[in-house]
Amino acid sequence: EVQLVESGGGLVKPGRSLRLSCAASGFTFEYYGMHWVRQSPGKGLEWVSGVNWNSGSIDYADSVKGRVTISRDNAKNSLYLQVHSLRADDTGLYFCVKEKKTRGTALGRYAFDMWGRGTMVTVAS
Amino acid sequence: QSVLTQPPSVSGAPGQRVTISCTGSSSNIGARYDVHWYQQPPETAPKLLIFDNTNRPSGVPDRFSASKSGASASLVISGLQAEDEADYYCQSYDSILSGTVFGTGTKVTVL
Repeated sequence: EVQLVESGGGLVKPGRSLRLSCAASGFTFEYYGMHWVRQSPGKGLEWVSGVNWNSGSIDYADSVKGRVTISRDNAKNSLYLQVHSLRADDTGLYFCVKEKKTRGTALGRYAFDMWGRGTMVTVAS
Repeated sequence: QSVLTQPPSVSGAPGQRVTISCTGSSSNIGARYDVHWYQQPPETAPKLLIFDNTNRPSGVPDRFSASKSGASASLVISGLQAEDEADYYCQSYDSILSGTVFGTGTKVTVL
């Protein structure tokens, strides 16, 4: 079965760090760009970060730039997001998503054809 | 604050046609970057509905169609059904922000 399963969320105090993970299965992970998209409670979708298939291209949203690091391990079919200096407005459901394009050369321009169920991050004291 | 603007809500009776607009600018849709559309039912992850402006993935009913013109795009649901009640988002790329951007989202209500 083709799926993405996120983990690592939870209740975290402001200023702390968190590492989110995404386990991919059912497709050739190393062929596809991967992204993190978040959704604050009751709000819309916000793209957070993306990495292309071979980690040669990485982008971050301005709202998280300097506090977030995205990485992937193709040998483990896994995607990660390290978030530092967590703030209240980082609270939300974090989705792991897969690009539709195989070995895309333009990170972020392709549709996302697979989404995980998300892992919830709550930043509160 | 998103650079792609959608109406907060649209509604229609079963069988009716509804249109959702997605208005961008010269740095995203107007720069000819592709537009994609997603459907998000309540308490569910988003699902790809339309990719590359007009294309439906396998399994998406043909009552969903989309178009793009200039700096705007539109999603049309023809023959509205109860299961179409969901939030809908457009997505594109923005050259100034150097990243993917989503629309503000539109809630579709079936009356």
